[in-house]
Amino acid sequence: GAGVSQTPSNKVTEKGKYVELRCDPISGHTALYWYRQSLGQGPEFLIYFQGTGAADDSGLPNDRFFAVRPEGSVSTLKIQRTERGDSAVYLCASSFTSGSVETQYFGPGTRLLVL
Amino acid sequence: GQNIDQPTEMTATEGAIVQINCTYQTSGFNGLFWYQQHAGEAPTFLSYNVLDGLEEKGRFSSFLSRSKGYSYLLLKELQMKDSASYLCAVSSGGSYIPTFGRGTSLIVHP
Repeated sequence: GAGVSQTPSNKVTEKGKYVELRCDPISGHTALYWYRQSLGQGPEFLIYFQGTGAADDSGLPNDRFFAVRPEGSVSTLKIQRTERGDSAVYLCASSFTSGSVETQYFGPGTRLLVL
Repeated sequence: GQNIDQPTEMTATEGAIVQINCTYQTSGFNGLFWYQQHAGEAPTFLSYNVLDGLEEKGRFSSFLSRSKGYSYLLLKELQMKDSASYLCAVSSGGSYIPTFGRGTSLIVHP
């Protein structure tokens, strides 16, 4: 596709449930980033991949959050035992490479609501 | 860590000029980005500054002063469609991962 895609666009779940959010980056982009954005705030960094490996996961809030990118393309963000405070828009971005200043291209986000 | 500060909200009139300021405190500065984000949509890239000075791109210009930790985004000939949130993001350190400010909500009225 031409841009970054994310599925689902909206996800409503109950407290304590497990959710998976998917990101399909721009073809050829080796760097992939996950951010979380709450209402009225800027995107907050969670984790970034260079290829298949998580190069920096310092933004993950706790061990309930985990992300994978097994083949260096599609990535899945996994949240266990969801809490109401996890409700936010989860944004994925990709860039051609990392290790230098690169423009990030964002997907439309997944709006997660934990009831 | 980094500290990025920008006004929460600004209003302006269609056809006018508006300047959105961003100040930051960081070590190992690499570059500064401006993104536009319409409500309910993804951020889209507007500009990127590495060196001091003004970068002009159509109706939008961005300025950077590294010594002052200061940038601004200048929007000319405002249109209603320019109503959006404008995010300042600073890349620093070895990871080059941008840190975003909370954004400035710009409201353009007739």
